[in-house]
Amino acid sequence: AQSVTQLGSHVSVSEGALVLLRCNYSSSVPPYLFWYVQYPNQGLQLLLKYTSAATLVKGINGFEAEFKKSETSFHLTKPSAHMSDAAEYFCAVSEEQGAQKLVFGQGTRLTINP
Amino acid sequence: EPEVTQTPSHQVTQMGQEVILRCVPISNHLYFYWYRQILGQKVEFLVSFYNNEISEKSEIFDDQFSVERPDGSNFTLKIRSTKLEDSAMYFCASSVRGGANVLTFGAGSRLTVL
Repeated sequence: AQSVTQLGSHVSVSEGALVLLRCNYSSSVPPYLFWYVQYPNQGLQLLLKYTSAATLVKGINGFEAEFKKSETSFHLTKPSAHMSDAAEYFCAVSEEQGAQKLVFGQGTRLTINP
Repeated sequence: EPEVTQTPSHQVTQMGQEVILRCVPISNHLYFYWYRQILGQKVEFLVSFYNNEISEKSEIFDDQFSVERPDGSNFTLKIRSTKLEDSAMYFCASSVRGGANVLTFGAGSRLTVL
């Protein structure tokens, strides 16, 4: 069965600092991996996805994530945090072939300090 | 940009009452989903729907739940007799294709069962 673990339910960084949100997954088949972001009172918006092409994936708003099979990780990073990055971030996994459901992590709330 | 719209944004109901949550998916999308998030917990898959029938459902989606696409635009989730533990944020999503295609989520409907 697939699962996702996000380390840290709450991460706080200073504006301009590096953002690192951790995600580890478990899957019996090659996974598709996703990061979604949820701003207050809004739906889940796709940041980026990994679908077995390049292991370093670039997304919107300057975010990127690296798929590391040996570590079963898909950590999300951004070199320099902006106040507008404050939101809840969800890592999710689905099977490579045909599965329609996403399995989500518990989410990480990112706070940006001025 | 096309979006998934959900109504109501918040509904309060008494235990045992029937609730219908409504969603208008993106017009050219063919796959439809409901997810829910109980406060403080993970976003969980409930059901996927394609070609006018359920294609996959989770253990949570028991006989109290049903989905319907009554016309060409709406996609509804009905809870027949609500329980306290049904209190959650319910997200509708749609995608062009199944598999690992990107899901577009709505802003959610918050259900409070008293």
